[in-house]
Amino acid sequence: GAGVSQTPSNKVTEKGKYVELRCDPISGHTALYWYRQSLGQGPEFLIYFQGTGAADDSGLPNDRFFAVRPEGSVSTLKIQRTERGDSAVYLCASSYRDRGRFVGAGVNNEQFFGPGTRLTVL
Amino acid sequence: EDQVTQSPEALRLQEGESSSLNCSYTVSGLRGLFWYRQDPGKGPEFLFTLYSAGEEKEKERLKATLTKKESFLHITAPKPEDSATYLCAVQEYSGYALNFGKGTSLLVTP
Repeated sequence: GAGVSQTPSNKVTEKGKYVELRCDPISGHTALYWYRQSLGQGPEFLIYFQGTGAADDSGLPNDRFFAVRPEGSVSTLKIQRTERGDSAVYLCASSYRDRGRFVGAGVNNEQFFGPGTRLTVL
Repeated sequence: EDQVTQSPEALRLQEGESSSLNCSYTVSGLRGLFWYRQDPGKGPEFLFTLYSAGEEKEKERLKATLTKKESFLHITAPKPEDSATYLCAVQEYSGYALNFGKGTSLLVTP
């Protein structure tokens, strides 16, 4: 079966421009996550969706960053007025999670990652 | 605040030379500890989830263990294809975000 896909694989833009990054999760996965990874660092959490709603957006660095998931499947990460410091690899992950269900040992909790979008802001 | 520290930052092994990678963590309540492998230019690949102290999981030459303060990823008789960055992440009980360490870059030479 298909894994998580992300488009584009690479995006080069100029400072101040607007960009959109797309994520297609694994079919049937209800939860979707965005992370970003800078060189030499581990991924850093940005936002988490359960279904269509953003359940946790505490990792978004400022109000230039926004993400949507209107139909509970594909998600788009939107960055306004890009800055050079936004340059990084943006990773998307998905997992299966029942709404309201206790998640503990033995329950599927793994997040499966896509290949990422490398964003370069000149 | 959660904190995940991985050591060493880089490790070079000869093929067949077993070793261990360490992941130390501090969380208020651990839901799960995750190990991922990441190859250059690719997204992290899931390896293991550990939920409670004393738990162990194995996959081919890899074995992950968990205590209340740290996790180890043991690599037995590694091969060059095991070369990658190994990432450790913790998930706090109250949420679902993964908090990653910086990773250990492993190079296995023939």
